[in-house]
Amino acid sequence: EAGVTQFPSHSVIEKGQTVTLRCDPISGHDNLYWYRRVMGKEIKFLLHFVKESKQDESGMPNNRFLAERTGGTYSTLKVQPAELEDSGVYFCASSVSSYEQYFGPGTRLTVT
Amino acid sequence: KQEVTQIPAALSVPEGENLVLNCSFTDSAIYNLQWFRQDPGKGLTSLLLIQSSQREQTSGRLNASLDKSSGRSTLYIAASQPGDSATYLCAVEMDSNYQLIWGAGTKLIIKP
Repeated sequence: EAGVTQFPSHSVIEKGQTVTLRCDPISGHDNLYWYRRVMGKEIKFLLHFVKESKQDESGMPNNRFLAERTGGTYSTLKVQPAELEDSGVYFCASSVSSYEQYFGPGTRLTVT
Repeated sequence: KQEVTQIPAALSVPEGENLVLNCSFTDSAIYNLQWFRQDPGKGLTSLLLIQSSQREQTSGRLNASLDKSSGRSTLYIAASQPGDSATYLCAVEMDSNYQLIWGAGTKLIIKP
């Protein structure tokens, strides 16, 4: 069974540009989570989808971040416009229930 | 290729006991190792981060140790409480501020 995959593994963009991160959850997992780790600090929760609906988006830092999960399968996280402080690693996780989130390897975002 | 293994997969103990969760990794050239707590239906909480140059970190009733040469880390929980029930994940980072390689987690149940 394939695990959670994220694309790209690394993205380097300039301040003000737009970047879209993608997460493909494990097939059949209705729950999808986004996290980010900024500059070596602790991982912080961003939001939680149940199928295509946003269950909890309390961790989204500001309106420059937009997450979507059309059709309840893969999800995208768009940052527009990117700022320097957005640099970090963005993780995605999926689960079939409230337990056992399976994490992807993360996407490293570098904003210069 | 780095692989992270957590043993046991599940653990159930009576309240008040001291317990140890284990995490092993195959490549000792890690940058750091982290322990996380995952509660059902909620996001991830970072517990302890151990840099590669450190041997242990403590936070309250939690103590995490790191032995790079043997590829092992342990999370010691003293005087366990029902509120400690959760899934505990360990993850290693191979390069600064980059992707994490996750263990599968240990599901801990503390019985009142």
